[in-house]
Amino acid sequence: DTAVSQTPKYLVTQMGNDKSIKCEQNLGHDTMYWYKQDSKKFLKIMFSYNNKELIINETVPNRFSPKSPDKAHLNLHINSLELGDSAVYFCASSQDPGTGGSPLHFGNGTRLTVT
Amino acid sequence: QKEVEQDPGPLSVPEGAIVSLNCTYSNSAFQYFMWYRQYSRKGPELLMYTYSSGNKEDGRFTAQVDKSSKYISLFIRDSQPSDSATYLCAMSGGGKLIFGQGTELSVKP
Repeated sequence: DTAVSQTPKYLVTQMGNDKSIKCEQNLGHDTMYWYKQDSKKFLKIMFSYNNKELIINETVPNRFSPKSPDKAHLNLHINSLELGDSAVYFCASSQDPGTGGSPLHFGNGTRLTVT
Repeated sequence: QKEVEQDPGPLSVPEGAIVSLNCTYSNSAFQYFMWYRQYSRKGPELLMYTYSSGNKEDGRFTAQVDKSSKYISLFIRDSQPSDSATYLCAMSGGGKLIFGQGTELSVKP
């Protein structure tokens, strides 16, 4: 069983389109995250939810909107896609907020390419 | 200056070599130190987890934390081609969780 699963694995789309990425975790964790990894492998936090409440919202364009329908799911919707949005997006979860030392469990990523 | 610095490499070693991967940091509030391993086209997976200073060993892997120097290391003994991956350090505390850039390691047969 995959602990943190995200779909789709690959997403190729044109500039200006709107797309969504879905994430589900079956670990019973309370905290979920979206990270962006650029071509240099640098992982940057975008959002974090704890029990469906937004707790971290880094400086991310308003075109990115997370949504957590329940604590096992965290989706990411992106409006008006731009070339610079091309990256790998990782969903992750942890029992408690990672800022307190709780280790993160990552999905295998969604590779987004905007043409 | 970044809060966490990690040499991105790439680092190439022959099979059987001892590998040393390092990170430095500037935030004294960090108390939890982790190493993640990321294979190509996969998500990072937790490899080692330590709290505060000291050493921790798990098989061929040893993690060291020196809080006085703000320096952490991961040693891999008898490296194998299957160890080829990107290794990311991560540290948390004081309301922050920060990842290093990752070091790309290649172990040649």
